Amino acid sequence: DTAVSQTPKYLVTQMGNDKSIKCEQNLGHDTMYWYKQDSKKFLKIMFSYNNKELIINETVPNRFSPKSPDKAHLNLHINSLELGDSAVYFCASSQDRSDTQYFGPGTRLTVL
Amino acid sequence: SQKIEQNSEALNIQEGKTATLTCNYTNYSPAYLQWYRQDPGRGPVFLLLIRENEKEKRKERLKVTFDTTLKQSLFHITASQPADSATYLCALNRDDKIIFGKGTRLHILP
Repeated sequence: DTAVSQTPKYLVTQMGNDKSIKCEQNLGHDTMYWYKQDSKKFLKIMFSYNNKELIINETVPNRFSPKSPDKAHLNLHINSLELGDSAVYFCASSQDRSDTQYFGPGTRLTVL
Repeated sequence: SQKIEQNSEALNIQEGKTATLTCNYTNYSPAYLQWYRQDPGRGPVFLLLIRENEKEKRKERLKVTFDTTLKQSLFHITASQPADSATYLCALNRDDKIIFGKGTRLHILP
């Protein structure tokens, strides 16, 4: 009964490829997020959805496109992957905006 | 712009002692502040939330203080154990998002 789950756990791919990461939460939360944690361990918000509506879009390249098919799912698609995209990507959810965050286990993306 | 600073990147504390981690922020007055724990290879896990009108919050061996005048929060672990070794992240709310500090890696030495 995992609260926030992500797949895959690891993703190794070549530069220029397109890849997707999936996230699901079974907490009944209204808000979901994508965070990026770089090699220096700095955790930075990328996107936030509230009831399937995009509410936060930080200065992220438009190669990154989030999609929320329903309140329980938030997927992240990345086009034309670059070396600098290598990081750990965390999905999170919260009951309300900027509330306590519940994080998934993370997806380690390595771009070669 | 909003800045959050956690006192040190790494902190070594002898087992049984109290570990104290510091979080300072500038340019904003958050309604509340949160502390998270992150273990290697895992996502952050929420520990405690303290509101601007609260001076102190406790949970078992954990204690958090919030000084809105100093713009500082202190996170204490009393009777520290090696299992407390992890990275601790301070976070504050701003508008519709949570902004995280870079974290402090805490090592409890047996």
